[in-house]
Amino acid sequence: EVQVLESGGELVQPGGSLRLSCVGSGFTFSSYGMNWVRQAPGKGLEWVSVISGGGGGTYYADSVKGRFTISRDNSKNIVYLQMNSLRVEDTAVYYCAKDLEEAPYGMDVWGRGTTVTVSS
Amino acid sequence: NFMLTQPHSVSQSPGKTVTISCTGSGGTIADNYVQWYQQRPGSAPTTVIYDDNQRPSGVPDRFSGSIDSSSNSASLTISGLKTEDEADYYCQSYDSGDHWVFGGGTKLTVL
Repeated sequence: EVQVLESGGELVQPGGSLRLSCVGSGFTFSSYGMNWVRQAPGKGLEWVSVISGGGGGTYYADSVKGRFTISRDNSKNIVYLQMNSLRVEDTAVYYCAKDLEEAPYGMDVWGRGTTVTVSS
Repeated sequence: NFMLTQPHSVSQSPGKTVTISCTGSGGTIADNYVQWYQQRPGSAPTTVIYDDNQRPSGVPDRFSGSIDSSSNSASLTISGLKTEDEADYYCQSYDSGDHWVFGGGTKLTVL
C-alpha cells in the first residue's frame, strides 16, 4: 500500500525554526516528486513546496520562498521541510503528498498531516 | 499569475447529480492537467480525479472530470449523490511560473 506519513509539527515561537519530515512507503520513492501543502485553520489548501524525484528541482510558494527549504534523502525515503523565520501566519496543518510523476505536477497520495502552531 | 476560482458552496439531494466548476484566469486551463481533491470534515484530502478526467483506483465511476476550453474551466461531476460525498472539493493545476495552484474550495452539502 502506498503511504506517506508526516511528523515534526509542534508549537514554536515566532522567528523560530522547525523541520518537518515525511516518510514514504509502498512505492519507488526516488521516482516521484513530493509536495508539501498546508491548510490554515478554517481555510483552504495552499501549496507550499515541491521537489522532483531526483531532488534536482525545487519550487516554493512566494509566501515561503527564502524562509523554507525542501530536501529529500532517497536512501531513507524521506522528504524534509526546513522552516525558518516562522510567522504566526505559518500556523497550519502541513500535509505531505506524493506526486503523480517524477517531474511534479499534481498530488496523488496524501498523508494525514502534522500541525504547526506559531505563537508566543 | 494563474488563478482558479470555485463556487463557495453547492447543495443537492441524494441520488441527484451535481457539478462543481473551476474557472481559470490569467492563463489557459487546458494547458496543464487539472486534479480534484475531496476533503471530508476532519480528514486529509484524497484524490478523486487526476489528469483532467482520470479516476484513481477505488474512486467510484460516479465521479467524473472534464475541461471546457470555451469557458476556460474544469468541472467535477458527481452523479447518484450519497451522503458520504458531503465534503470540500478543491481543484488544482500548475502555473507556468513554476507554481502549483489550488482553487478556493467548494463545500458540497448533500441534503
